[in-house]
Amino acid sequence: IAGITQAPTSQILAAGRRMTLRCTQDMRHNAMYWYRQDLGLGLRLIHYSNTAGTTGKGEVPDGYSVSRANTDDFPLTLASAVPSQTSVYFCASSDPFLVGTATQPQHFGDGTRLSIL
Amino acid sequence: SQKIEQNSEALNIQEGKTATLTCNYTNYSPAYLQWYRQDPGRGPVFLLLIRENEKEKRKERLKVTFDTTLKQSLFHITASQPADSATYLCALDNYGQNFVFGPGTRLSVLP
Repeated sequence: IAGITQAPTSQILAAGRRMTLRCTQDMRHNAMYWYRQDLGLGLRLIHYSNTAGTTGKGEVPDGYSVSRANTDDFPLTLASAVPSQTSVYFCASSDPFLVGTATQPQHFGDGTRLSIL
Repeated sequence: SQKIEQNSEALNIQEGKTATLTCNYTNYSPAYLQWYRQDPGRGPVFLLLIRENEKEKRKERLKVTFDTTLKQSLFHITASQPADSATYLCALDNYGQNFVFGPGTRLSVLP
């Protein structure tokens, strides 16, 4: 079934540890995104990538890094986890944005629930 | 700074009634607006997109309106069913710039 696969589904992590959240899509979408979702704050964009080899910062990028070595994979790394990074993390992908048109509808994975202790 | 507000945090309605969810925004001039549905433990799923020059968009039991003067979008579910219970998110878009999600409204349709 086509879609976005995120791993792990949940994780408990000690503060200060390094963690990589994995995201793979099989829809050949050029654009990919990482969001965090916190109660009352909605989805906030962490990083995005418009195409393989390029990345950009979103609204809340501090403490996170991403890479986009190929079209299908877009891992998110927490270099040194802190308790404020406890959240649900969603990866999404979409068809490429065309200048002068709408952002294409995004397809989401089912998230990684991350707790930093 | 731009701000998006959706209804109250939660909305309860009786089965068969029309549910109306609101999305209000300030300090933003979106060209497009999208609505998503999110079930517990799942990622959001795209439902509808409406352009600034469209007053209304329909899809089966769903209807979306977009009033750029009032800076508001309304999302209606007619003949609501318990299976419609979910959190609904609006997202604003200005030609790919500043794509922003609202906080969501949790809808419960009571049998």
